[in-house]
Amino acid sequence: LAKTTQPISMDSYEGQEVNITCSHNNIATNDYITWYQQFPSQGPRFIIQGYKTKVTNEVASLFIPADRKSSTLSLPRVSLSDTAVYYCLVGTGSQGNLIFGKGTKLSVKP
Amino acid sequence: EAGVAQSPRYKIIEKRQSVAFWCNPISGHATLYWYQQILGQGPKLLIQFQNNGVVDDSQLPKDRFSAERLKGVDSTLKIQPAKLEDSAVYLCASSFSRGDDGYTFGSGTRLTVV
Repeated sequence: LAKTTQPISMDSYEGQEVNITCSHNNIATNDYITWYQQFPSQGPRFIIQGYKTKVTNEVASLFIPADRKSSTLSLPRVSLSDTAVYYCLVGTGSQGNLIFGKGTKLSVKP
Repeated sequence: EAGVAQSPRYKIIEKRQSVAFWCNPISGHATLYWYQQILGQGPKLLIQFQNNGVVDDSQLPKDRFSAERLKGVDSTLKIQPAKLEDSAVYLCASSFSRGDDGYTFGSGTRLTVV
């Protein structure tokens, strides 16, 4: 099972772009990279998923280099409401192999 | 579409008592998951169902935890008897297939064992 490593915490200010990098050195060929966001007292919420190169949706962008050993979640122009814990997961989703780490606690300040 | 429904929202019990949690997944989602999230940690998978069959329960403490998903829709998770270390948020999630398209989580049940 591919393990992930991401910073424990990050601080930012409103209006800035935030990039959270996740390392997954032993990612398997079939594994996808998925990011979730979790607010206090809520379940995690799916943000974005990718396999390689770049994926963009209305919320974020996901950059994946050619070797796929890391990925970067990019949040454009964050606001106070983006303060949350962000989890990077690697796996195919079958047989419960999407393992959550401790995540990155992002604090956005005014 | 309606989200994943869980109840109760909060529960406080004494150690050695039993407790049950209920989950109603998104309609049409074949895969259902129960996670345990201890304060300050990421969610930990307890059990995964595909329709009404168990796919993975390797991290479920089977001496005290049990789960079922009758008719492949609703699911219940039971703890009997509860221990202090079972205090956590129990999250239910569902996905259309195996999770490749992302999971949808409920808001969870916060269990406090005193």
